[in-house]
Amino acid sequence: GAVVSQHPSRVICKSGTSVKIECRSLDFQATTMFWYRQFPKKSLMLMATSNEGSKATYEQGVEKDKFLINHASLTLSTLTVTSAHPEDSSFYICSASLGAGSYEQYFGPGTRLTVT
Amino acid sequence: RKEVEQDPGPFNVPEGATVAFNCTYSNSASQSFFWYRQDCRKEPKLLMSVYSSGNEDGRFTAQLNRASQYISLLIRDSKLSDSATYLCVVNKGTYKYIFGTGTRLKVLA
Repeated sequence: GAVVSQHPSRVICKSGTSVKIECRSLDFQATTMFWYRQFPKKSLMLMATSNEGSKATYEQGVEKDKFLINHASLTLSTLTVTSAHPEDSSFYICSASLGAGSYEQYFGPGTRLTVT
Repeated sequence: RKEVEQDPGPFNVPEGATVAFNCTYSNSASQSFFWYRQDCRKEPKLLMSVYSSGNEDGRFTAQLNRASQYISLLIRDSKLSDSATYLCVVNKGTYKYIFGTGTRLKVLA
């Protein structure tokens, strides 16, 4: 149980294009999902908290217009990196919480984005 | 001071050894604590939650010391497959995690 998938697992795009990453909870409903990015040999940095049916909450320093988050259903959240630049290249990981007082998060396998 | 601090390591230990990691947290209001394991270029996987009474799962034992604000992870009889980065995670009663930078473990044959 508590399986989270992400798609795509790897994407290479050109500067200026937009990339959408999907995060799905496969066997549970997640009212809250989280988006992280991770640079090599660094820890995970929380970008935003995605709430089903409402606007995402972004962490300080994360541009909401650049990283668009949509959480349209209880099993799907999407992150769109708009007008990508090489410095956006990173490992993006989503997670989902079971909620209802359970604070454990389950992580998707991550998406490696390379912007050329 | 970081909210969650870990020794980055690496800890290089021989197979069969016992190794322990500590993690300190600065916010006394922290409520939930976890250890995650992350392999290179993979996502973190929940290893165990850490309860006030301590908990054990096979070769892994986690303990919480609220007075000194640290949690620990003990691995007994280390296996080669235990080589990974171990992430300490603290939660303040919301669903938001605060990650430590991770401790790298290398178990050597």
